[in-house]
Amino acid sequence: GNSVTQMEGPVTLSEEAFLTINCTYTATGYPSLFWYVQYPGEGLQLLLKATKADDKGSNKGFEATYRKETTSFHLEKGSVQVSDSAVYFCALTNNQGGKLIFGQGTELSVKP
Amino acid sequence: DAGVTQSPTHLIKTRGQQVTLRCSPKSGHDTVSWYQQALGQGPQFIFQYYEEEERQRGNFPDRFSGHQFPNYSSELNVNALLLGDSALYLCASSLGQRQYFGPGTRLTVT
Repeated sequence: GNSVTQMEGPVTLSEEAFLTINCTYTATGYPSLFWYVQYPGEGLQLLLKATKADDKGSNKGFEATYRKETTSFHLEKGSVQVSDSAVYFCALTNNQGGKLIFGQGTELSVKP
Repeated sequence: DAGVTQSPTHLIKTRGQQVTLRCSPKSGHDTVSWYQQALGQGPQFIFQYYEEEERQRGNFPDRFSGHQFPNYSSELNVNALLLGDSALYLCASSLGQRQYFGPGTRLTVT
């Protein structure tokens, strides 16, 4: 079945460091891919998405490129801030607007 | 414009009891999905409601049931609670592709 695997956390970085959170997926067909962020005490927020191979999603300095050949959707940011501290979830769906399949989440902690 | 709201925020129940969680979707949204997020895990899809019918269901037992009302709000019911049902329950609403999540209800089963 469809699944998403993320790198384990927690990830601890200093402010202005480069961030990569790895995400790989297994899916039939051509899924859409997402990154969601969950700040402490809040619900999930959509960070970015890509709906087809080679698409790049971007938002708030974060980027991820849909790589079908490596079945990956790694999240990157060139310079993290303390305010980026949160849990990040990679997700996919084969059914637009339907069931989302999430990875286990990666906690990011950014120190000043 | 209010986003997705859920009630209650926190809930403590005893094994064997039943619980009802509530969700009000974002204004204009007609579809509601429910997810269970165990501690340290990603959300797991329970089911989705559209036009008051269950449209899609995840791999959860029949103890988990739901309902959608004509105003698109929704309830999640869990019967015969188990300790393993302790989790954050998330509701998401949508009109089309993008799902908007509420803050969740934290259920603790003792």
